[in-house]
Amino acid sequence: DQQVKQNSPSLSVQEGRISILNCDYTNSMFDYFLWYKKYPAEGPTFLISISSIKDKNEDGRFTVFLNKSAKHLSLHIVPSQPGDSAVYFCAAGWGMNRDDKIIFGKGTRLHILP
Amino acid sequence: EAGVTQFPSHSVIEKGQTVTLRCDPISGHDNLYWYRRVMGKEIKFLLHFVKESKQDESGMPNNRFLAERTGGTYSTLKVQPAELEDSGVYFCASSSGLFIGELFFGEGSRLTVL
Repeated sequence: DQQVKQNSPSLSVQEGRISILNCDYTNSMFDYFLWYKKYPAEGPTFLISISSIKDKNEDGRFTVFLNKSAKHLSLHIVPSQPGDSAVYFCAAGWGMNRDDKIIFGKGTRLHILP
Repeated sequence: EAGVTQFPSHSVIEKGQTVTLRCDPISGHDNLYWYRRVMGKEIKFLLHFVKESKQDESGMPNNRFLAERTGGTYSTLKVQPAELEDSGVYFCASSSGLFIGELFFGEGSRLTVL
């Protein structure tokens, strides 16, 4: 029973354009949501997070949007760059007072085309 | 500052054998996590240590898996006896707990059970 779902296994985007990665979740108790990025043969690295009380968080080229009523979040990357080619994992957690376990999705492989 | 290190990077064993994976977290990080990813699937939570105590081991598949973190520093994950379905990449992550959801992952230990 997956609580965090990434339904697109892969996505190809032209360099310079906007990349939009989507994620759905089922557990309304999640307190925060995260995006991690993973290159081959490396561990995932933290990218950006958003609290459940917000609907948008921006960090440079990366913006995460949260729609709680739809239980949906998305990661926007603009403009997309070749180094953005990686697997992106959506994740969620609960327990704002401590680092409880974080639930990850299956990932979406992003290809940035030249 | 050294990141999270894992050993071995790759282990190939036969069904029924034993394997021990080791993780050295970032110095000073009280939180240590083990995750596993099977090809194409989600990064699945296994367990969470706070210092030397098991905070949450709800993700451990069965009693063939044993995790320890003696002294609250490095951790080991032993699989005994290994089965074919145990194959995958085992990730260790650590966090200070200061920034909610920000885990630092190691490069992973790939386990192949033949």
